[in-house]
Amino acid sequence: QVQLVESGGGVVQPGRSLRLSCAASGFTFITYGMHWVRQAPGKGLEWVAVISYDGTNKYYADSVKGRFTISRDNSKKTLYLEMNSLRGEDTAVYYCAKDRYGAAAGNGFFHHWGQGTLVTVSS
Amino acid sequence: EIVLTQSPGTLSLSPGERATLSCRASQSVSSNYLAWYQQKPGQAPRLLIYGASSRATGIPDRFSGSGSGTDFTLTISRLEPEDFAVYYCQQYGRSPPLTFGGGTKVEIK
Repeated sequence: QVQLVESGGGVVQPGRSLRLSCAASGFTFITYGMHWVRQAPGKGLEWVAVISYDGTNKYYADSVKGRFTISRDNSKKTLYLEMNSLRGEDTAVYYCAKDRYGAAAGNGFFHHWGQGTLVTVSS
Repeated sequence: EIVLTQSPGTLSLSPGERATLSCRASQSVSSNYLAWYQQKPGQAPRLLIYGASSRATGIPDRFSGSGSGTDFTLTISRLEPEDFAVYYCQQYGRSPPLTFGGGTKVEIK
């Protein structure tokens, strides 16, 4: 069955960097687009970024554009989110999610979800 | 960017009752590319419906989605105890940004 396991969360000071990872198993990773979605404490869901199946196309929410970078290593079946210049408003649980399709155009829905990793930005 | 507005914010119902949740878009959602998710406390969201009306694998048939254009509905025909949760709609009709509604909490009356 599909498994997505996020790691790399923790407490970080404002302005610093953090890299999240998402290890995938149970499906042909190279076939599917992958997303990051976040949820601030007690708040709703916010889409963050998507990467197409082959890593060619990447799209970002305006709130993270220029600060976050999504990437993937298909040989390792792993998705990444490099987060720089972190702010207090980036505090959230970060979920990786598998698209139903390849996400070449960036638009898709979230077929499977990981359990999330908490990022807390605080001095 | 397409803004999704969910109503009501909270729905108080009893087990066995019918739940009707609304999701309204600020502009037409292309190809009815609208999904619904369920989230329980401390858990990741779970996909219920995609393409406005197609149930995801393993989702009971008491969950149904309908609508087109700018108005979409999630209906739970008879609430089971495990259905009390927060529900989100999400549109994917255009290139990003992908957007979610603010959520509807279905609570036990």
